[in-house]
Amino acid sequence: DVKVTQSSRYLVKRTGEKVFLECVQDMDHENMFWYRQDPGLGLRLIYFSYDVKMKEKGDIPEGYSVSREKKERFSLILESASTNQTSMYLCASSLGGGLGEQFFGPGTRLTVL
Amino acid sequence: AQKVTQAQTEISVVEKEDVTLDCVYETRDTTYYLFWYKQPPSGELVFLIRRNSFDEQNEISGRYSWNFQKSTSSFNFTITASQVVDSAVYFCALSEVRSRTALIFGKGTTLSVSS
Repeated sequence: DVKVTQSSRYLVKRTGEKVFLECVQDMDHENMFWYRQDPGLGLRLIYFSYDVKMKEKGDIPEGYSVSREKKERFSLILESASTNQTSMYLCASSLGGGLGEQFFGPGTRLTVL
Repeated sequence: AQKVTQAQTEISVVEKEDVTLDCVYETRDTTYYLFWYKQPPSGELVFLIRRNSFDEQNEISGRYSWNFQKSTSSFNFTITASQVVDSAVYFCALSEVRSRTALIFGKGTTLSVSS
């Protein structure tokens, strides 16, 4: 059974903290994605990676960075968390080529106080 | 520019009613894919269907059906005889071949089915 897992379902951090969100997939997928979901705005792409050590900015990369050192793991980093980064974060993966379905993790609801 | 519009923000129906969720897209590419995802209250997005731009045949899967019309740039989703378990947020999404990987999502339609 295909699976994308995220390190936490709920996370509470303070303004200015460095935050790591981890995502792991067991499907040997080339592509991995980080989205942010906010009410009324749908899903917005933050960053994606199509190979190890490769990354590309999505629509809203400001305030975020990513790391992909291994094929199965894609980390989202908030260097200095701010209250406007309170959101639901969704990780996804897909096969290379970009046209297949994306498989999503359960999401991490991050609250920055 | 790529864009996916789901004009219906929220829809409420009573069980056994049929309901159609609209999706209109914009793309300059001739080769693209369209998707529908379901997000139940648990939060995890579930893939429902993928359609490529060269296949305009309607698709039916149980109570679900999809109507793809390139002439109107629409990819609408119909649930027949809705059930309470259909209550969820539904997202339509677009992927162009040349964009390599990314999906562009609509803002979603929240469907509430009451008994």
